[in-house]
Amino acid sequence: KQEVTQIPAALSVPEGENLVLNCSFTDSAIYNLQWFRQDPGKGLTSLLLIQSSQREQTSGRLNASLDKSSGRSTLYIAASQPGDSATYLCAVTQGGSEKLVFGKGTKLTVNP
Amino acid sequence: GAVVSQHPSWVICKSGTSVKIECRSLDFQATTMFWYRQFPKQSLMLMATSNEGSKATYEQGVEKDKFLINHASLTLSTLTVTSAHPEDSSFYICSARGYGYTFGSGTRLTVV
Repeated sequence: KQEVTQIPAALSVPEGENLVLNCSFTDSAIYNLQWFRQDPGKGLTSLLLIQSSQREQTSGRLNASLDKSSGRSTLYIAASQPGDSATYLCAVTQGGSEKLVFGKGTKLTVNP
Repeated sequence: GAVVSQHPSWVICKSGTSVKIECRSLDFQATTMFWYRQFPKQSLMLMATSNEGSKATYEQGVEKDKFLINHASLTLSTLTVTSAHPEDSSFYICSARGYGYTFGSGTRLTVV
C-alpha cells in the first residue's frame, strides 16, 4: 500500500528565504507526482505535475524535483513571500489508477 | 481554466439528518469524480470514485449506504451523508477528472 510522508509538518520562515519541502513515498512504481497548495478551508490548487519519466518541473519561483528510485520529491520555493503561506500537499498516482494518494502536508508560514 | 463549484461551503446539521453536497464542473465535462474526506491535520483520504452514469466505487472501510454518491451527468456529482453523526464531521472535497484534476473548494460539515 502506497504511503506518502511529508516533512516537516510545519515550517515558519521570514520573508525572502529560499526553502525546501520534502515528500517521500514507499512504492516507487508511480505514474506521476503532484504538488498542491491548500489555503485554510479551501480546495486544492495544482502547482506542479511531474511525470514518472521526468526529473523536475519549474513554474515561476517553484521548482519540484523527483527521484523515483529513492522515492523522494522536493518542492523548492525561491524568495518566499507572505502570500506563499498555505499548506502544501504532495500526491502520487500509481500506474493504471487515477487515484491520488496524499501526504498530510506541510503548513508553511512566511512572516513579513 | 477548469472550475469545479462545490456547495455548500459549510453546513451544520443535527445528528440523524442527511446532508447533500454538490459538485459541478462549470466549463468542462467531468467523466470521473473523486470524493475525499479530510480530518484535521490528516491527509485527504479518498472515499469513492464515480463515473457518469454508473455506480460509484467505494474505498475499503467507507459505507456505501451511508455516503450516497450520484453522478447523473457529466457536470454534476452529489454526495449525500445519510443519518449523519458527530463522527462524520469533517471537510469533504470533490475532484473532477477532466484535464488533470480540478478540486472543489470543499465543504465543512459539522454534525451536532
